[in-house]
Amino acid sequence: SAVISQKPSRDICQRGTSLTIQCQVDSQVTMMFWYRQQPGQSLTLIATANQGSEATYESGFVIDKFPISRPNLTFSTLTVSNMSPEDSSIYLCSVGSPAAAMNTEAFFGQGTRLTVV
Amino acid sequence: AQKITQTQPGMFVQEKEAVTLDCTYDTSDPSYGLFWYKQPSSGEMIFLIYQGSYDQQNATEGRYSLNFQKARKSANLVISASQLGDSAMYFCAMREGFTGYSTLTFGKGTMLLVSP
Repeated sequence: SAVISQKPSRDICQRGTSLTIQCQVDSQVTMMFWYRQQPGQSLTLIATANQGSEATYESGFVIDKFPISRPNLTFSTLTVSNMSPEDSSIYLCSVGSPAAAMNTEAFFGQGTRLTVV
Repeated sequence: AQKITQTQPGMFVQEKEAVTLDCTYDTSDPSYGLFWYKQPSSGEMIFLIYQGSYDQQNATEGRYSLNFQKARKSANLVISASQLGDSAMYFCAMREGFTGYSTLTFGKGTMLLVSP
């Protein structure tokens, strides 16, 4: 199974600033996913990040607000830009199985708990 | 329409008893996978169990089992012999398609509280 290291684990930020979240995987993966979990809610996919191409964003999420980098097959970053209190959430990265098999779990990082004040 | 429905916002169970967490799903894809995750207060997502649409038998992993009723489109999680450490949020999720690279769709979750 893949091991995903995500940091920071938590942060408290001032509104109007930006925070970059890092996600490091211990094996090469083609696709990495970024999710947002607002307080008391389920997980919502923000975007899918492929190495060497632009990230694909889900409806309601835009690149200017959530720029994503994917410089290689083991690393990705998500930036939350110009933050407001509504951005207070847990942000999680995940990867598909390196074996690309259907019957394998999606591995998640430990999550970043963001509070915007 | 929601693809994953978890109708129980919260469940209470006493230690050592069994509990069933409900999950129904909606898909027209014949190939899909159903997942259950546990999320403690720390926020991490812990994979518990997986059931494939073509699997003939219900999945089991230790104290976790999945009651898969394909015709009813339900995939309920059964936790046997509950422990205090089982208190957490539980999410049912579905992946559609053939590969492990398609994304997961999550239900709203069920908060489980285990009492002594």
